[in-house]
Formats: sequence, C-alpha cells, structure tokens
Amino acid sequence: EAGVAQSPRYKIIEKRQSVAFWCNPISGHATLYWYQQILGQGPKLLIQFQNNGVVDDSQLPKDRFSAERLKGVDSTLKIQPAKLEDSAVYLCASSLDWGNMDEQYFGPGTRLTVT
Amino acid sequence: AQSVSQHNHHVILSEAASLELGCNYSYGGTVNLFWYVQYPGQHLQLLLKYFSGDPLVKGIKGFEAEFIKSKFSFNLRKPSVQWSDTAEYFCAVTEGGSSASKIIFGSGTRLSIRP
Repeated sequence: EAGVAQSPRYKIIEKRQSVAFWCNPISGHATLYWYQQILGQGPKLLIQFQNNGVVDDSQLPKDRFSAERLKGVDSTLKIQPAKLEDSAVYLCASSLDWGNMDEQYFGPGTRLTVT
Repeated sequence: AQSVSQHNHHVILSEAASLELGCNYSYGGTVNLFWYVQYPGQHLQLLLKYFSGDPLVKGIKGFEAEFIKSKFSFNLRKPSVQWSDTAEYFCAVTEGGSSASKIIFGSGTRLSIRP
C-alpha cells in the first residue's frame, strides 16, 4: 500500500514570497490533516478535512494560510506571504475515517525555510 | 484547553537499559491517548494507543504504556532498549467520545541509545 505522498520535500523562499505544498493521502482515506512542526516542538494541527469539507481550521492563520481539497482526494496548502516564523516542517497525514480514535498515517513532510 | 507535557527533552541510555518516558496531559474528561515515534529519516508512525479497557497497553517492538487516570499520565516503557530504538517519541491526546476533537501532540522526547 502506497503511503502519504508530499511534495516538494524541501523549499527555501524569501519572506513575503508565496509557496504551495501538495499532499496525496492513502487511497480511500476520507480524512486529511495538515500539521506545522516547528523545530523542537510537536506537530500542531493546522486544518483537518473530511472528504472535501473542512472539519477544523481553528489553528490556521487564515490571513496568510489557505488550504483546499477540492475533489476530496489530494490537497494543497498555501502560504502567501510567508514570514520568517513560518519556517517549519509541514506534515500531511490521512486516516480512514474522521473519528478521533483513528490512526493517522503521516507523509515525509516538506521542510520550509524562509529567509 | 488541552495540553500535553513531555518533560524529558533528550534521554540518553545504554543498550539493555530500561526506558520510561513521561507524558502528562491536562483534560478532566475521557481521553484517547497515543504514542507516535519518528525514527531517523522516517515518517511519524503509531507506536501504541489507548481508548478504554486495560490501562496497560502493549505496542509494537516491545513498547508498552500505562494509563494512570489519577495522575493524568500515559508513560511509555520498555524493559530493555536497543540501539534501533533511537528516535523521537511523541505523546498525543484527543478527547474521548468526541469525533470533533483534534489531536494535541507533546513537544517530543529525543531518545539516543549508546551501542
């Protein structure tokens, strides 16, 4: 079974530029998550999708971050404009269902450096 | 708001030593508890989880964790560590019985095993 795919793996941009990350979840998984993991911290949930609907985006900085999952499969997370404090690893995860007992399967992450 | 505390940021042990990593959470209601592990160069993956029933949970690779409700703790243990256990370990919690509860991760504990 193929795992969660993410691209790119690494990205370096200057502040005020924009950037987009892509995630393809495990086939058949209804729920998709985007996390931000700053160095030395645990992952922090940014947004959770159930199929193509948003379940939770309470921690998403909506003035600069946006995410979509138009067809209920793959998803894109965008930052525009980027700030220095956005430097982090952005993780995508998926689970079969949206219950909070479901195991989440994580992708390799995208390491973003904002200079 | 919920929070998860992992007080040990970096633990260094010799092979065959016993391991206990601390995890405390702040939430007075029913909880679901998880330990995730990230081996060097690999994705985050589930080590074990507790939902209900026997508070002593056994996971993969000889790990176990004990839920002590009165102490709000879910410590991870292994009687004899191996060099291959070198990794970062994350404790996480969701509210039990609530499908809308997001997962909260601790800041992680880096485990280094001396061969």
